[in-house]
Amino acid sequence: NAGVTQTPKFRILKIGQSMTLQCAQDMNHNYMYWYRQDPGMGLKLIYYSVGAGITDKGEVPNGYNVSRSTTEDFPLRLELAAPSQTSVYFCASRSGGNYGYTFGSGTRLTVV
Amino acid sequence: DAKTTQPNSMESNEEEPVHLPCNHSTISGTDYIHWYRQLPSQGPEYVIHGLTSNVNNRMASLAIAEDRKSSTLILHRATLRDAAVYYCILRAGSSNTGKLIFGQGTTLQVKP
Repeated sequence: NAGVTQTPKFRILKIGQSMTLQCAQDMNHNYMYWYRQDPGMGLKLIYYSVGAGITDKGEVPNGYNVSRSTTEDFPLRLELAAPSQTSVYFCASRSGGNYGYTFGSGTRLTVV
Repeated sequence: DAKTTQPNSMESNEEEPVHLPCNHSTISGTDYIHWYRQLPSQGPEYVIHGLTSNVNNRMASLAIAEDRKSSTLILHRATLRDAAVYYCILRAGSSNTGKLIFGQGTTLQVKP
């Protein structure tokens, strides 16, 4: 009963480096989402997916890319990391209809 | 996306009921009212949602005004573990994407 699993939990990147944040869910949810949360702020939507092979931009997509090759996985790619991408990143999923989201525990990323 | 307005912070005493208000005067007929909470250093957690009628679950109750322009999340007996940021969010029922747009939320402090 893992729910939504995010790895890594913490990461420090240097400016210009790249990395992939992993997100996996075992609930067979079609819908998956990536959010970022800056200190003291609410969550902002980066990208989302309504099913395997389908992704779309959210509110703050610049500097990020996603892919959705399977129902279970929704990785978030950061290219050329910048200090402005220092944040906590949350992945979430949901089934269809009007059910609630299930969130992962987050990845805390620092870019120095 | 329709916006919600919540107080920045509220205080409660342990074992007393808490009423967290939310205004959403521009709500449309198909918007669902969702509540999530975020405990310190954790991802958001689904609490409850509703459309027109009041709703109850094991965590809380949701009271929706007759004109749907406001709602109240009710925690029947606050515990110290209920100290969190509570988000009131409108989710478009007509939307296939199911995106949640988070605001600042209400920070609830529970005093022993």
